[in-house]
Amino acid sequence: DGGITQSPKYLFRKEGQNVTLSCEQNLNHDAMYWYRQDPGQGLRLIYYSQIVNDFQKGDIAEGYSVSREKKESFPLTVTSAQKNPTAFYLCASSGLAGATDTQYFGPGTRLTVL
Amino acid sequence: GESVGLHLPTLSVQEGDNSIINCAYSNSASDYFIWYKQESGKGPQFIIDIRSNMDKRQGQRVTVLLNKTVKHLSLQIAATQPGDSAVYFCAEIRSNDYKLSFGAGTTVTVRA
Repeated sequence: DGGITQSPKYLFRKEGQNVTLSCEQNLNHDAMYWYRQDPGQGLRLIYYSQIVNDFQKGDIAEGYSVSREKKESFPLTVTSAQKNPTAFYLCASSGLAGATDTQYFGPGTRLTVL
Repeated sequence: GESVGLHLPTLSVQEGDNSIINCAYSNSASDYFIWYKQESGKGPQFIIDIRSNMDKRQGQRVTVLLNKTVKHLSLQIAATQPGDSAVYFCAEIRSNDYKLSFGAGTTVTVRA
């Protein structure tokens, strides 16, 4: 998984609760990303950050929030406003911000909202 | 809209045969393409990439072909092995905002 860790691997939450997913990388990469994957589908971009203290919305940002206080960390909060939060969440990073560079993925967190 | 997609959702291959996975894209501004392999319950794993100034690139047992005229790329796996069973995604990085856009994936099953 190339130096990108996500925790926990499985997460269960009750409906209406906020939950934060962890993503850490030790690759010294500038850019970090969060994707959501639903069964049988490709990945959809939630948020991305090209440098510390800066981030942009992806294609499906509603109901999610992020922070990028450190280069190594990019936590994702799934809020109660997210209508269908049960999914497989993947974090990725790439070396160069603002460039076409390969993105490497973590192992993912499977979130189930009961 | 502009998107990346794969021609077939599933592919069944006899062990030892070659596999060909196809992908069509519509964003002519994309200049970088990546193939990923995803095993069940895991994150996507980088296989091989190609930039738009190339037509072909080879790795270990894999070859990616890019045809910019018809906006098509393919992944060829030589001598397919049981460990190659996975979902394969093609992805493009859009040159205007550097976002990675994925197709839905092709599930490859290797028959013994």
